[in-house]
Amino acid sequence: DAGVTQSPTHLIKTRGQHVTLRCSPISGHKSVSWYQQVLGQGPQFIFQYYEKEERGRGNFPDRFSARQFPNYSSELNVNALLLGDSALYLCASSLELRVNLGTLHFGNGTRLTVT
Amino acid sequence: KNEVEQSPQNLTAQEGEFITINCSYSVGISALHWLQQHPGGGIVSLFMLSSGKKKHGRLIATINIQEKHSSLHITASHPRDSAVYICAEGSNYQLIWGAGTKLIIKP
Repeated sequence: DAGVTQSPTHLIKTRGQHVTLRCSPISGHKSVSWYQQVLGQGPQFIFQYYEKEERGRGNFPDRFSARQFPNYSSELNVNALLLGDSALYLCASSLELRVNLGTLHFGNGTRLTVT
Repeated sequence: KNEVEQSPQNLTAQEGEFITINCSYSVGISALHWLQQHPGGGIVSLFMLSSGKKKHGRLIATINIQEKHSSLHITASHPRDSAVYICAEGSNYQLIWGAGTKLIIKP
């Protein structure tokens, strides 16, 4: 079975632009979470989607949005990019809604550079 | 405020040494996760535990709920164990992550 796949792997954008990151969960997993990892820091929670509904949101501005499709894949959108948005964006999928009930499976991430 | 603190931040050891990484958290939890991140960025979940001890190969994770403390041990360490090890507490929908411990095992 394929693991969690993310695309693209690397991306370079200019300040003010918009970006869309994509994630395909492991087959059968209905929960997708997004995390931002700035260089040298631990990941920060952005969103969780379960059964196509937003179930959790971290402390990120409204420039960040996401959605989950009927096949449980997900997109993370960031508008009006800032230099500080440069980071590794990680997607994780799981069977369970609650992270204290099941193992999370991570993709390899999308490295976004904003210039 | 939930906080997860790890120590040490950096650890360099010789191949074969016994490794211990510590994690303290500030609030009561129902699960604590240990994860491994390699230089390329990919994260692998190692353990999820809520009590006692778990073992997988050369890796052992323990947790003391009363003391709000967990440890990750690596026996007979090997250069391929070199990675960042992160503990994270499970809080409903999200993981709250420590800053990670960068481990380097020299041959």
